[in-house]
Amino acid sequence: KNEVEQSPQNLTAQEGEFITINCSYSVGISALHWLQQHPGGGIVSLFMLSSGKKKHGRLIATINIQEKHSSLHITASHPRDSAVYICAVRSTGGTSYGKLTFGQGTILTVHP
Amino acid sequence: GAVVSQHPSRVICKSGTSVKIECRSLDFQATTMFWYRQFPKKSLMLMATSNEGSKATYEQGVEKDKFLINHASLTLSTLTVTSAHPEDSSFYICSARRVAAGGGYEQFFGPGTRLTVL
Repeated sequence: KNEVEQSPQNLTAQEGEFITINCSYSVGISALHWLQQHPGGGIVSLFMLSSGKKKHGRLIATINIQEKHSSLHITASHPRDSAVYICAVRSTGGTSYGKLTFGQGTILTVHP
Repeated sequence: GAVVSQHPSRVICKSGTSVKIECRSLDFQATTMFWYRQFPKKSLMLMATSNEGSKATYEQGVEKDKFLINHASLTLSTLTVTSAHPEDSSFYICSARRVAAGGGYEQFFGPGTRLTVL
């Protein structure tokens, strides 16, 4: 079992829909990142969370440390939101201390 | 947010040649830089971690003599793929980390370099 699991792996939505992507992890962490990767490859860091909730424009990220779960929400989705969304956690223990462990990514396609 | 640049963005080379990729933190000093490799439809795989002025720490299975990393300053790290072969073709991404104002770390990613070895 991967240390970081995302769901769904693929997500298709119509423009305007509310979207949720989930991330569950099994290790102790000091922070969780949500990243966006567009076709062509460049990665943009959307959020870094260690507790609670953050909002930036139409994007909202939440984390529940006790349940080891985070969600990324997109309100009023738009075709330009189409990308791969990646959850990554910064581990606190073992050989992975301080390193980012990545989920497999969620491919989001928003149709007009 | 802070900006990390990579150069070149795309490179095509012949088998047996060496290729250097630069990673720069443009508006901050990075205490640590990371080099990742990404295969098609796969997640990022950490290759090595480098701190300015010291030798890079390579992940298991990554050949340090093939992937030379130099972290000459707090704003520049380079990855040199030596004697490149077609199997080295991949998307290479660097990331730079700094200490956050409130404690902990912030990590920023470069736009990536697509290497194609013919």
